[in-house]
Amino acid sequence: ETGVTQTPRHLVMGMTNKKSLKCEQHLGHNAMYWYKQSAKKPLELMFVYNFKEQTENNSVPSRFSPECPNSSHLFLHLHTLQPEDSALYLCASSQPGLATLAYNEQFFGPGTRLTVL
Amino acid sequence: KNEVEQSPQNLTAQEGEFITINCSYSVGISALHWLQQHPGGGIVSLFMLSSGKKKHGRLIATINIQEKHSSLHITASHPRDSAVYICAAPGGGADGLTFGKGTHLIIQP
Repeated sequence: ETGVTQTPRHLVMGMTNKKSLKCEQHLGHNAMYWYKQSAKKPLELMFVYNFKEQTENNSVPSRFSPECPNSSHLFLHLHTLQPEDSALYLCASSQPGLATLAYNEQFFGPGTRLTVL
Repeated sequence: KNEVEQSPQNLTAQEGEFITINCSYSVGISALHWLQQHPGGGIVSLFMLSSGKKKHGRLIATINIQEKHSSLHITASHPRDSAVYICAAPGGGADGLTFGKGTHLIIQP
């Protein structure tokens, strides 16, 4: 148990559906991240939020829309996805220090396994 | 962007063996992360290190900043160590990490 929860754990959706992934952290952190892990590929950073402000969008298609209403919650809204978007979506959080966020230990949620039909 | 390479990609060993996983990166950094991913997907941060060596139980991580290389060692390996081990370095954007492809480790009883 890392203190970061994600729901749902599994999601199957059609290409015309709209769904949302939810992440919640109970660690008092102020930075939150979305990552994508496709089969046979390394983890890819999607979005970074620091104190509720988006600081990084790693060229992610607009069919993925993040939302960070407060430092404890992070959402990923999905619409008109493609089958190639099927992957494990991981959320993480960290406590920002003086250095860039990449130098702070990150705590990961269990992930949402997404299948797009 | 930092390029992160890990070796080997797959490793099968017998229980009790000493395990070494290597990681090299292309852009100079001040710290590197080692992560463990179990079947099912959950990821746990093992180490973040900026110099020398860190030890946690049977796990030891070393880094040579000048040579842009890090190693993760497991002593007295056990089947429960079976997992994917991932190294990650800053350089995936201003605040992000670039990840290696991971080393899939299987420890057989």
